[in-house]
Amino acid sequence: EVQLVESGGVLVQPGRSLRLSCAASGFTFDDYAMHWVRQAPGKGLEWVSGITWNSGSTGYAVSVKGRFTISRDNAKNSLYLQMTSLRAEDTALYYCAKDLVFRIYNLNDGRAFDNWGQGTMVTVSS
Amino acid sequence: AIQLTQSPSSLSASVGDRVIITCRASQGISSALAWYQQKPGEAPNLLIYDASDLESGVPSRFSGSGSGTDYTLTISSLQPEDFATYYCQQFKRFPFTFGPGTKVDIK
Repeated sequence: EVQLVESGGVLVQPGRSLRLSCAASGFTFDDYAMHWVRQAPGKGLEWVSGITWNSGSTGYAVSVKGRFTISRDNAKNSLYLQMTSLRAEDTALYYCAKDLVFRIYNLNDGRAFDNWGQGTMVTVSS
Repeated sequence: AIQLTQSPSSLSASVGDRVIITCRASQGISSALAWYQQKPGEAPNLLIYDASDLESGVPSRFSGSGSGTDYTLTISSLQPEDFATYYCQQFKRFPFTFGPGTKVDIK
């Protein structure tokens, strides 16, 4: 059974940094691209960032580009999101999600997110 | 960025009803579209990918269709467990935008 468990979400002041983690199990982690998706309280879904299986390609939403960095450690079956210069509008539940497609080399070849974690809450407030 | 709109934004329906939700893209997306169901307090769940392919384990009452800019999710006979919010997502081009969602509640 695929499991994705996010952690690292806390209450943090504007301008500060935070690193989220996602621990994966139940599948061969280094065969799949991974993504972060967020959902502000009471709002819809927003794709944040993605990374291919070999870290060869990454992508970011315009709203986070230059402030967030996605990475992965295939030896540890873990995905990360380094978040800097946090803003109030970054307040959201952050989900880790697995790409449907095996070993894509270009994130644009992704087709869907077939497994999701339960999310970790980031609150940016003074 | 490719924008997605969904209609209706919400609907009320009864068990057994046929429900159709529409997703329209701001440009052609070549069937690179997925549909998700999200229940309150839960993560989204993949229903359909490539516009019309049913994800493994998803009941056959769910189906997807469409091409170009216009796509639909159909629930052939609404069940009590189907009351939820439904989102479309495009994979044609970064960023992988989601639609705003359609909330299906009980009439």
